[in-house]
Amino acid sequence: RKEVEQDPGPFNVPEGATVAFNCTYSNSASQSFFWYRQDCRKEPKLLMSVYSSGNEDGRFTAQLNRASQYISLLIRDSKLSDSATYLCVAASGTYKYIFGTGTRLKVLA
Amino acid sequence: NAGVTQTPKFRILKIGQSMTLQCAQDMNHNYMYWYRQDPGMGLKLIYYSVGAGITDKGEVPNGYNVSRSTTEDFPLRLELAAPSQTSVYFCASSRRGNTQYFGPGTRLTVL
Repeated sequence: RKEVEQDPGPFNVPEGATVAFNCTYSNSASQSFFWYRQDCRKEPKLLMSVYSSGNEDGRFTAQLNRASQYISLLIRDSKLSDSATYLCVAASGTYKYIFGTGTRLKVLA
Repeated sequence: NAGVTQTPKFRILKIGQSMTLQCAQDMNHNYMYWYRQDPGMGLKLIYYSVGAGITDKGEVPNGYNVSRSTTEDFPLRLELAAPSQTSVYFCASSRRGNTQYFGPGTRLTVL
C-alpha cells in the first residue's frame, strides 16, 4: 500500500463547477499536510497547508481528518487556469515529505 | 529573490558518464532536498541536508552523492549514469523543515 494515495483522475469539470479531491495517508505519525499544484513539466508549487481545523484560501478549502487519515481539497467556481495536477503531501519530521502521485484536473470551457 | 535555481534545465548523458546537477537558493534556508520524479510517480527523496556540512540519505540514494559546503548550494552528483536515472530532478529548500520551495527542475535522459 502506498503511503499517500490519490485518485489519479483526470477529473474533467466545466468552468464554474465545484470539484473535490481526497487523499489518504497511512503513517499515523504524519504531522504536517500540504496541497501542492504542479503544472505540466513544471515544478510543484505550494497551494496551501492543511490544518486540523480546516482552512480556506479564496476558492480553495482544505480539510484534515486525522481519525480517518485523509485530507481533502475543495475547489469552488473552477477556472480554466485551475487545470493542473494536485499533489497531496503528508510529512513527518523535518525531511520526510511523502508525496502522492497526484490528481489531474482539467477544467473545460 | 531568485528563490531556488537549478542548472542545467536539460541534459542527455551516455551510460557510464558522470555529471553534477547544480542547485542554489538565496532565501537563507537551512534545509535543502533533492527529489526525482518519474512519469506517473510521486516525488522520491534522494538526499537532504539540514545545514552546511550535514547531509543524509533519503529514500532512493543509490547512484548519487551530494555535498553541502555552503548554505546556498547543494549539488547532486551522478556517477556512472544508468538508464534508470532518466528522470526529472527537483531541488527544494525550506526554512526549518516546513514548507518546501522547489526549483524549476532538470530533465535528465541517460541513453
